[in-house]
Amino acid sequence: DTGVSQDPRHKITKRGQNVTFRCDPISEHNRLYWYRQTLGQGPEFLTYFQNEAQLEKSRLLSDRFSAERPKGSFSTLEIQRTEQGDSAMYLCASSLLTGELFFGEGSRLTVL
Amino acid sequence: AQKVTQAQTEISVVEKEDVTLDCVYETRDTTYYLFWYKQPPSGELVFLIRRNSFDEQNEISGRYSWNFQKSTSSFNFTITASQVVDSAVYFCALSETPGTSGSRLTFGEGTQLTVNP
Repeated sequence: DTGVSQDPRHKITKRGQNVTFRCDPISEHNRLYWYRQTLGQGPEFLTYFQNEAQLEKSRLLSDRFSAERPKGSFSTLEIQRTEQGDSAMYLCASSLLTGELFFGEGSRLTVL
Repeated sequence: AQKVTQAQTEISVVEKEDVTLDCVYETRDTTYYLFWYKQPPSGELVFLIRRNSFDEQNEISGRYSWNFQKSTSSFNFTITASQVVDSAVYFCALSETPGTSGSRLTFGEGTQLTVNP
């Protein structure tokens, strides 16, 4: 499978716990994006990397959220001290410099 | 600020009917891209089309066609002879010219299309 892969697909956690999601982009894609999607809504932009550099962060990305792409390949998105409002689908996408975004199947987070 | 509006929250049709999904956008950029994505129940967003703001030519791909009208800021999507497998949520999206924001997309809220046999 050469598409964007995300892990885990589902995560259930208790409020206050930390969670981490991983995204493996399409190998030749140098741009990587994180989006968040809540039920019945369209995806909302969170952050974007070009290679290992994080070039933009949305205001949606509070201090409890951190994303990394240490070697310009896979990326992680960590949420610290989770809150019930963090429950959502977290989508990763990758692209070439000027191409369309290819999305993974998402990581669904449920905070109890 | 960019905005995408998909006024149709849900559409239900019977198989073989034609259906049009509406998309209206707002942007201050003179150069931008418009997209349509399909999200089946599995959750993965599937890319359908990208259109440059300078290219207003309509496009047809099999049963799918897109009508881009810059004068009305609309980018509508028509499925001809719909099939049950077309049932999904369809998102229209807008991006400014790739630059410091990469290809950051602003999505509409989506239209749930249900095609009944």
